[in-house]
Amino acid sequence: GENVEQHPSTLSVQEGDSAVIKCTYSDSASNYFPWYKQELGKRPQLIIDIRSNVGEKKDQRIAVTLNKTAKHFSLHITETQPEDSAVYFCAAIETGSARQLTFGSGTQLTVLP
Amino acid sequence: GAVVSQHPSRVICKSGTSVKIECRSLDFQATTMFWYRQFPKKSLMLMATSNEGSKATYEQGVEKDKFLINHASLTLSTLTVTSAHPEDSSFYICSATEVAGANSPLHFGNGTRLTVT
Repeated sequence: GENVEQHPSTLSVQEGDSAVIKCTYSDSASNYFPWYKQELGKRPQLIIDIRSNVGEKKDQRIAVTLNKTAKHFSLHITETQPEDSAVYFCAAIETGSARQLTFGSGTQLTVLP
Repeated sequence: GAVVSQHPSRVICKSGTSVKIECRSLDFQATTMFWYRQFPKKSLMLMATSNEGSKATYEQGVEKDKFLINHASLTLSTLTVTSAHPEDSSFYICSATEVAGANSPLHFGNGTRLTVT
């Protein structure tokens, strides 16, 4: 099955700086890569996603890049704000008849004021 | 947007009792629902995949007799933790998708914090 590795596990940045979180996946057939933000005790919220036919996608301060050859994708947050502090998870879709997300291990992002 | 309602949000039960958690899709029909378990500061671990009208598919290492999943309708799936023990204390989250396949978004419930005393 799919295996998703995520780095770093913790990340602290100063407010206004950029944050980058990286993930690698193992199943070359995976074709959908969402990123979730989870605040403590709350549901994961989809913040951005990318499909395998696209190399980059941007939504305001958030961008995601995908390198299919290397099987890695990254989340970029620019001009970070304290409210960006949360745990971020990357994920990848396994092939098959049912949709099963494989999550990365998560990154605790702390934006220092 | 699509909403998934999960109840209860918190439950405390005594060791040996059973607890039922409900996951409802409010404005769409969920052909597939997923149940996850999340330990503090850890990722979501898929426990099982439930398709309406059929038996759930459990991930390796998940006891199907302990974590009973029922997906009786297109809008409701339930997870029953039977004979709960303190080690079952965790955060349980469901998610639902309208159409199985890579092009259908997942919608998460708010999660249930289970504490077994």
